[in-house]
Amino acid sequence: ELKVEQNPLFLSMQEGKNYTIYCNYSTTSDRLYWYRQDPGKSLESLFVLLSNGAVKQEGRLMASLDTKARLSTLHITAAVHDLSATYFCAVDMYGNKLVFGAGTILRVKS
Amino acid sequence: EAQVTQNPRYLITVTGKKLTVTCSQNMNHEYMSWYRQDPGLGLRQIYYSMNVEVTDKGDVPEGYKVSRKEKRNFPLILESPSPNQTSLYFCASRLSASSAYEQYFGPGTRLTVT
Repeated sequence: ELKVEQNPLFLSMQEGKNYTIYCNYSTTSDRLYWYRQDPGKSLESLFVLLSNGAVKQEGRLMASLDTKARLSTLHITAAVHDLSATYFCAVDMYGNKLVFGAGTILRVKS
Repeated sequence: EAQVTQNPRYLITVTGKKLTVTCSQNMNHEYMSWYRQDPGLGLRQIYYSMNVEVTDKGDVPEGYKVSRKEKRNFPLILESPSPNQTSLYFCASRLSASSAYEQYFGPGTRLTVT
């Protein structure tokens, strides 16, 4: 059974600081997705990572995938308040379903 | 506009009263799926459908039914809702199961069963 673990589950950080969210998964997969969810809202797709070594960047967020280590990271650079949200990673299991991590609640304090 | 729609958005009901949450997408996607979101657990898949008339159980199917008679619609049915089905439900669609395209999520349905 595929398990996906995110850490930390809660992250409070100051504006301007850098931090990384980690997503570990238990079985082989080469497709991983990152989503953002604002309170009371649906999920917004951030990144689709499709192969080992894939790196995607959008603004202050950068995601990477290491399929050998079964690890993806979401790096936040110079955080701003607008990045406050819950971030989920999800691993694609044979195309049938996505298995989600528990989510990381990010609060950026000014 | 390409989108996944769900109705109703909010629903309060009582134990045992059958209900249906509708889901529709206008992107001609083959793959559709239902998830429930509970605090600290992320999203868990309830059922999915690879195409019309093809459905299968996800991780938490107990107490739910689905049907896929048309490509665009994928309703979620709770025959006899119970309080442990109180949750936030999301429908999602993707071009196909085998594609690496992103999934598009509906706006969510917040269900409370008393």
